[in-house]
Amino acid sequence: DTAVSQTPKYLVTQMGNDKSIKCEQNLGHDTMYWYKQDSKKFLKIMFSYNNKELIINETVPNRFSPKSPDKAHLNLHINSLELGDSAVYFCASSPEGVEQFFGPGTRLTVL
Amino acid sequence: RKEVEQDPGPFNVPEGATVAFNCTYSNSASQSFFWYRQDCRKEPKLLMSVYSSGNEDGRFTAQLNRASQYISLLIRDSKLSDSATYLCVVSRGGGKLIFGQGTELSVKP
Repeated sequence: DTAVSQTPKYLVTQMGNDKSIKCEQNLGHDTMYWYKQDSKKFLKIMFSYNNKELIINETVPNRFSPKSPDKAHLNLHINSLELGDSAVYFCASSPEGVEQFFGPGTRLTVL
Repeated sequence: RKEVEQDPGPFNVPEGATVAFNCTYSNSASQSFFWYRQDCRKEPKLLMSVYSSGNEDGRFTAQLNRASQYISLLIRDSKLSDSATYLCVVSRGGGKLIFGQGTELSVKP
């Protein structure tokens, strides 16, 4: 059974479009995260939710909006996609904010 | 300056070699320290936590020097399967992990 799953795995879209990435964890963890890994491989946190409540919101353009319908799901919606949004987006979850378990990643390409 | 800095790599070593990775962090308020491993086109996975007293897990030894704000990872008897990118990770608490840019290791036969 996949512990942290993301859909889609690959996403190719045009500039200006709006897209969503979904994340689900079946580990019973309270905290979930979104990270962005750019072409230089730097992994940077974007958002964190604890039990559906936003607790970390890094300096991310407000075109990015996370939504947590319940503690097992954390989705990421991106408006007006730009070329610079091309990256791999990882979802993660953790039981107490220490060890984090990552999903397989969503490779977003904006053309 | 990045908050967590690592050796740039890549490290190309023969099987059986011992290899050491270094990492420095700039924020003295950092509380927790980790090494994660990321295989090509895969997600990062926790390799080991790093404690002040130093800790070992099989062929892997991690050390932390809080005074120097320095973390290291030693891999003994390298295997082909150790080829990956090793990420130094620091936390100030609250679940926020700060990742280094990673050091790529390639173990050759």
